[in-house]
Amino acid sequence: NAGVTQTPKFQVLKTGQSMTLQCAQDMNHEYMSWYRQDPGMGLRLIHYSVGAGITDQGEVPNGYNVSRSTTEDFPLRLLSAAPSQTSVYFCATRRVTDSPLHFGNGTRLTVT
Amino acid sequence: GQNIDQPTEMTATEGAIVQINCTYQTSGFNGLFWYQQHAGEAPTFLSYNVLDGLEEKGRFSSFLSRSKGYSYLLLKELQMKDSASYLCAVDTNAGKSTFGDGTTLTVKP
Repeated sequence: NAGVTQTPKFQVLKTGQSMTLQCAQDMNHEYMSWYRQDPGMGLRLIHYSVGAGITDQGEVPNGYNVSRSTTEDFPLRLLSAAPSQTSVYFCATRRVTDSPLHFGNGTRLTVT
Repeated sequence: GQNIDQPTEMTATEGAIVQINCTYQTSGFNGLFWYQQHAGEAPTFLSYNVLDGLEEKGRFSSFLSRSKGYSYLLLKELQMKDSASYLCAVDTNAGKSTFGDGTTLTVKP
């Protein structure tokens, strides 16, 4: 039982490149979300999904796209990477709205 | 908008008790969570309050006052391994959790 799996663990991109951060869960959680965490700051919500086929924007959605074609997967796409997107990205899932978030181990992204 | 405030840093001594406060002003409230995050790791769940009062789980307790928009996390019998960041998060609507910036706790011998 892997829980929430994020790949890759580390990534370096050049400005303007695109890439997809992967998130997969085997807990059958309906709710999935992406957060970014910058030094000295809390987690900020990028996008979230309450079930397959449904996505919505969080606090900081610009420059990112998501899709949710299955319950298990929730990929985050960076369309044209910018240095301001250098951050640690966490995928988090939850069973229902009053249950805690389960986090993946994070992807550390550097954009040069 | 959402506003969640926590102290940035705290220091305490091994074996002591420390209280980490969190105040919030949010549009909607469906519960408050505390998470622990060690450096370089993912956050992990500590406690949850949705009704006013105290929830106790071993060395950790959390308190909520909805009328005051206030919560605290109480850590007793501090150990060196408790050195970490503590994140306060408020659930608003549609299951969205909004986080404070976190409190970095350093436990000294």
